[in-house]
This record gives sequence, structure tokens and C-alpha cells, in this order.
Amino acid sequence: EVQLVESGGVVVQPGGSLRLSCAASGFTFDDYTMHWVRQAPGKGLEWVSLISWDGGSTYYADSVKGRFTISRDNSKNSLYLQMNSLRTEDTALYYCAKDYGVLTSEYYFDYWGQGTLVTVSS
Amino acid sequence: EIVLTQSPGTLSLSPGERATLSCRASQSVSSSYLAWYQQKPGQAPRLLIYGASSRATGIPDRFSGSGSGTDFTLTISRLEPEDFAVYYCQQYGSSPPNTFGQGTKLEIK
Repeated sequence: EVQLVESGGVVVQPGGSLRLSCAASGFTFDDYTMHWVRQAPGKGLEWVSLISWDGGSTYYADSVKGRFTISRDNSKNSLYLQMNSLRTEDTALYYCAKDYGVLTSEYYFDYWGQGTLVTVSS
Repeated sequence: EIVLTQSPGTLSLSPGERATLSCRASQSVSSSYLAWYQQKPGQAPRLLIYGASSRATGIPDRFSGSGSGTDFTLTISRLEPEDFAVYYCQQYGSSPPNTFGQGTKLEIK
């Protein structure tokens, strides 16, 4: 059974930093591109970032480019999101999501975690 | 960036009725790279449809997707009580970035 479990969400002040983690199990982690998708309270979904199966390619939404860094450790079946210079508009539930494609990026998501809540507030 | 507009914002129907949800793109979505997701309160989204019309694993056949170019539709042929939720479309033809529609809330009438 595929499982994605996010952690690391807390309340942080504007300008602060945070690192989110996603622990994956139930599939061959290093065969899949992984994504972060966020959802502000009561709002819709916003794709944030992706990293290819080998970590060789990363992409970011314009709203987080230059502030967030995605990474992965395939030896630990883990995905990360380093978030710097946080803004109030970054407040959201952050989901880790698995790409559908095997050793390719299809850019849609067949499994999601339950999310971790990041609140940016003074 | 392709902008997706979903309509209606809220759809009120009764169990057993047919639901038709629309997703319109600001420019053509290449190769019908469009997905639909269902999200229930307090839960993560669930993939329903990809490639505009292919059902994901385990999705009942009352869910169907259609469309191409800029106009796409999710149809639920006969609503079950568990189908009342928020539905999002997502284009991935010009990725990254992926973009989502703003969602349609399907509520019980």
C-alpha cells in the first residue's frame, strides 16, 4: 500500500524558515518524480514544486522560486521542502504527491499524503 | 500559463441525478493532458480521470471525462451520496507549471 506521510509543519514568523519532510513507502521511491502541492485554508490547489526520480531536475512555481528548495534522499525514501523567507501568503496545507509516471514525469498525481499545515504569522 | 476556469462554482443536485462539471482552459491543452480530482472535507484529493477521459484505478464507471482543446467535462452519471465533494481539474500539457481550476463544489440539494 502506497503511503506518504508529511511532517514539519508549524507556526513560523514572516521571514522565517522551515523544512518539510515526506516519508514514502509501498512503492519504489526512486522510480518516481515527486511533487509538493499546497492548499491555503478554504482555497484551491496550487502546485509548488517537483523533483525528478533521480533528483537531477527540479522545477518551482513562480510564487516560491528563489525561496523554496526541493530535494530527496532515495536511500531514505524521503522528500523534502526547504522553505525560506516565508510570507503570510505561504500559509497552507502542504501535500506531498507521487507522480503517475514510472521513470518519467507525467505531471499528475495518483497518490497524496494527508498534508502538513504551515502557518506563517506574527 | 494556462488558466483553468471551472463552472459552475456550486452545483446542487440530488442522489440519483446526473452531474455535469465544466473546465475551460485559456488556451488549448496539448494532447488532452487534463486530469480531474475529487476532494472531500478533511481529505487529500483523489485522482479520478487523466488524459481527459481515462479513469484512474478503482474509480467507478459512473465517472467519465470528455473533451479536448479548451473545453473539458466531468460527468457523474448517477450520483451516489459519497460523490458530494469538491472537484478540481488540472492541466499538465504545458508543465511545469501544472495549473488547477478553482474547483466546483457538488452539494446535496
